[in-house]
Amino acid sequence: DGGITQSPKYLFRKEGQNVTLSCEQNLNHDAMYWYRQDPGQGLRLIYYSQIVNDFQKGDIAEGYSVSREKKESFPLTVTSAQKNPTAFYLCATYSGRDTQYFGPGTRLTVL
Amino acid sequence: AQRVTQPEKLLSVFKGAPVELKCNYSYSGSPELFWYVQYSRQRLQLLLRHISRESIKGFTADLNKGETSFHLKKPFAQEEDSAMYYCALQTGANNLFFGTGTRLTVIP
Repeated sequence: DGGITQSPKYLFRKEGQNVTLSCEQNLNHDAMYWYRQDPGQGLRLIYYSQIVNDFQKGDIAEGYSVSREKKESFPLTVTSAQKNPTAFYLCATYSGRDTQYFGPGTRLTVL
Repeated sequence: AQRVTQPEKLLSVFKGAPVELKCNYSYSGSPELFWYVQYSRQRLQLLLRHISRESIKGFTADLNKGETSFHLKKPFAQEEDSAMYYCALQTGANNLFFGTGTRLTVIP
């Protein structure tokens, strides 16, 4: 494993606080993705970025924001507008050739 | 709109028995389908894709466009196959649309 790192592994947040999840990759992949994984609901796409300085909303973007200032980094901010933020968050990259590669994930818990 | 359906949330089989994890899709374009697996305490990883038509860890999956299915099969289940399995459909912009997953438990 390696190539895609997510930090922290566990994150706790008080209600009303914004929190930023880190995703870094050294695979030189152009595209990066954020998914949310909930029991019984599979993975749902939050945001994706095909290239630096560009990103698009996925299926459940409300309450989230992203930036893509560098190819290697695609941080996700969970804002206080996200009503049910407790979940497991997965970052992924895509080289353009075969398939997406996933990071180890961050588990966010709202207290 | 695209849709991926995995009707079984949980599936238990005995070691050595055949296993089939069902996946049906709905997509107006030409489908490209994948199976991903997540073993306990490991990251989500690709198991196989229909384009490659290969067998990975004894698993195979055939794309049936008439039935819009991409079921995952293995003739003899092993304990190490116990994991969460996701069927996924690749759409435009190389986005993956996932099913809700099936947790497979292989009973010794």
